[in-house]
Amino acid sequence: AQSVAQPEDQVNVAEGNPLTVKCTYSVSGNPYLFWYVQYPNRGLQFLLKYITGDNLVKGSYGFEAEFNKSQTSFHLKKPSALVSDSALYFCAVRDMRNNNDMRFGAGTRLTVKP
Amino acid sequence: GAGVSQSPRYKVAKRGQDVALRCDPISGHVSLFWYQQALGQGPEFLTYFQNEAQLDKSGLPSDRFFAERPEGSVSTLKIQRTQQEDSAVYLCASSLVGGQGTTSGRYEQYFGPGTRLTVT
Repeated sequence: AQSVAQPEDQVNVAEGNPLTVKCTYSVSGNPYLFWYVQYPNRGLQFLLKYITGDNLVKGSYGFEAEFNKSQTSFHLKKPSALVSDSALYFCAVRDMRNNNDMRFGAGTRLTVKP
Repeated sequence: GAGVSQSPRYKVAKRGQDVALRCDPISGHVSLFWYQQALGQGPEFLTYFQNEAQLDKSGLPSDRFFAERPEGSVSTLKIQRTQQEDSAVYLCASSLVGGQGTTSGRYEQYFGPGTRLTVT
């Protein structure tokens, strides 16, 4: 079965600095990869996805992620962090052969300090 | 409505009580998913509907958990004889496309705000 690892429980960055939230995955076949963000008392919001094609995908709010097949990674990045980016971020993976079951990582709490 | 809605937002149940959690997906969305999110964890898949058909219930933790979507829109997750370990946030998500083929997994899911269930 597919699985996701987010090795950092917490990431702290200063406003204006670049940020990276790490994600590695494991699937038997080819993956569909997603990033979601969760703000307090709100549902998960879709940020971006990798399906096929260009390894660098761009999403909402200036976020982007790079699919690296050899390293089985899909790290989330943003060139310049904002205080309002502070939230809980989840990476998720689906095996193309089993579309129903999307596996989420445990989440990484991003704190951006002014 | 504009998004997925869930009710109630908070539910406190005494151990042994039955509870029913409601999900209103985005209008026209074929697929509907239920997840359980324990404190400090990511969501864990419970079950999946394509229209009114429950195609996958492999994530339901026990036979006390039951879900239905009788008319292919609103869904209800029912938990019978609640236990303390059932305390979690229950998330509902919907997706535009359904089907078992490889292409359906391309589509992102839209999540509701969740129902926080506390069993005392």
